[in-house]
Amino acid sequence: EADIYQTPRYLVIGTGKKITLECSQTMGHDKMYWYQQDPGMELHLIHYSYGVNSTEKGDLSSESTVSRIRTEHFPLTLESARPSHTSQYLCASSELRGNEQFFGPGTRLTVL
Amino acid sequence: AQKITQTQPGMFVQEKEAVTLDCTYDTSDPSYGLFWYKQPSSGEMIFLIYQGSYDQQNATEGRYSLNFQKARKSANLVISASQLGDSAMYFCAMRLNQAGTALIFGKGTTLSVSS
Repeated sequence: EADIYQTPRYLVIGTGKKITLECSQTMGHDKMYWYQQDPGMELHLIHYSYGVNSTEKGDLSSESTVSRIRTEHFPLTLESARPSHTSQYLCASSELRGNEQFFGPGTRLTVL
Repeated sequence: AQKITQTQPGMFVQEKEAVTLDCTYDTSDPSYGLFWYKQPSSGEMIFLIYQGSYDQQNATEGRYSLNFQKARKSANLVISASQLGDSAMYFCAMRLNQAGTALIFGKGTTLSVSS
C-alpha cells in the first residue's frame, strides 16, 4: 500500500486567494510529481522534483509554484487562485530507479 | 513527439467476461516503459501493470495482462473475468527512460461492468 498523502481532499475558495496544496510521502522516494487533471480528461505533468532543492516545470504551463525542502514534502502553491485553476491535482512519487509512480488521493480544487 | 492514444472513450462489458482496452503509443526512443492505471470515481490512481520495452514476455498481474506488440506500438490491457468493481476509468501511460521519469498519459477509457 502506497503511503502518499494529500490535503485537503476538497477545497472551494474565492478568486484571488492564496492556497497551498500539501503532499507528503513516507516511502523515502527521491522523485515527486504534480499532475493536473480536468474532469474526465488525461493527467498533465505540471511540476516534478528529483530530490531536495530540485524542482522543474512540467509539460503543461502552470501558474503554480512548488518547493522541495524536505524529501518527504512537496507542496504546491497558487499565489492568486482563478476559476481557470479549478481542477483535480494529483501528487505522485517514485524511487530513483523505480518503475511505478505511487499516487496520492488527489485534491479537488474549485475556484469561484 | 511522444504520444499515447486511447481510441475507446467508453467500453461496456458483462460480469465474468473478458475485455480489452486499446492503447497505442508513439516514440522513437528505444527504451521506454508502458503503464496502465485505474481511476475509480473517487479519483485516486491505482497502478495495475507495467511493461518495459525490452521485456520479452507480456506482463501479467492477476486478472490483468498487457498485450504488448512492439512492432505495432500497441500495449492493450486485457482484463479477464470482469467484476463490478472494475468499473472505472483506465489510463495508459508511457515513460521515456532516457528523458526522465515523467509519465505521458492517454485520454483514458471508461469501463462499465454490468451484472
